Amino acid sequence: DAKTTQPPSMDCAEGRAANLPCNHSTISGNEYVYWYRQIHSQGPQYIIHGLKNNETNEMASLIITEDRKSSTLILPHATLRDTAVYYCIVRLFNAGNNRKLIWGLGTSLAVNP
Amino acid sequence: SAVISQKPSRDICQRGTSLTIQCQVDSQVTMMFWYRQQPGQSLTLIATANQGSEATYESGFVIDKFPISRPNLTFSTLTVSNMSPEDSSIYLCSGSGASYNEQFFGPGTRLTVL
Repeated sequence: DAKTTQPPSMDCAEGRAANLPCNHSTISGNEYVYWYRQIHSQGPQYIIHGLKNNETNEMASLIITEDRKSSTLILPHATLRDTAVYYCIVRLFNAGNNRKLIWGLGTSLAVNP
Repeated sequence: SAVISQKPSRDICQRGTSLTIQCQVDSQVTMMFWYRQQPGQSLTLIATANQGSEATYESGFVIDKFPISRPNLTFSTLTVSNMSPEDSSIYLCSGSGASYNEQFFGPGTRLTVL
């Protein structure tokens, strides 16, 4: 699985959009980009995933560059409850026996009042 | 989606003893996994729990130290055997459905070994 690079920490004002970047320059054509987050003292929570098209759900939007070497997770109106560590992971979709997720250190997002 | 619970939520144990952590899912899941998360660190996969057969362990983890059971599609246990202070960590259970699209995680078990 391709490696990802994320900034260790970011700040965002409450009510503003939080844009979390991720570099995955070695991503292969059949690898998806997944985003999870982990709020303090809780297990990780799935947010969104995508291959090459932009994706949106009730939690966030995922913007993937045309060359797929980087992506941005957007939380459109960040709240204090969005304070968490955000993990960007690339992985083969429906990868048979190779289904494991490789977790980096993620980005610690602090949403400030 | 699936809701995953773990017991115990936390424990303090003496070195040399063993602790069994239980993971219960509220619906059937195809895959179940056990992770370890040491303080300030990211998640490390210990093993994939296979129903009715031996678990598949990742490099650096062995069955004698971390025996795993998975008797059905909604339940699994992880035992941390002959514990030492280095085993102090958060242990997380997760499950995924047939699409393997997303993994659902339990709240974790915080283990402290004295």
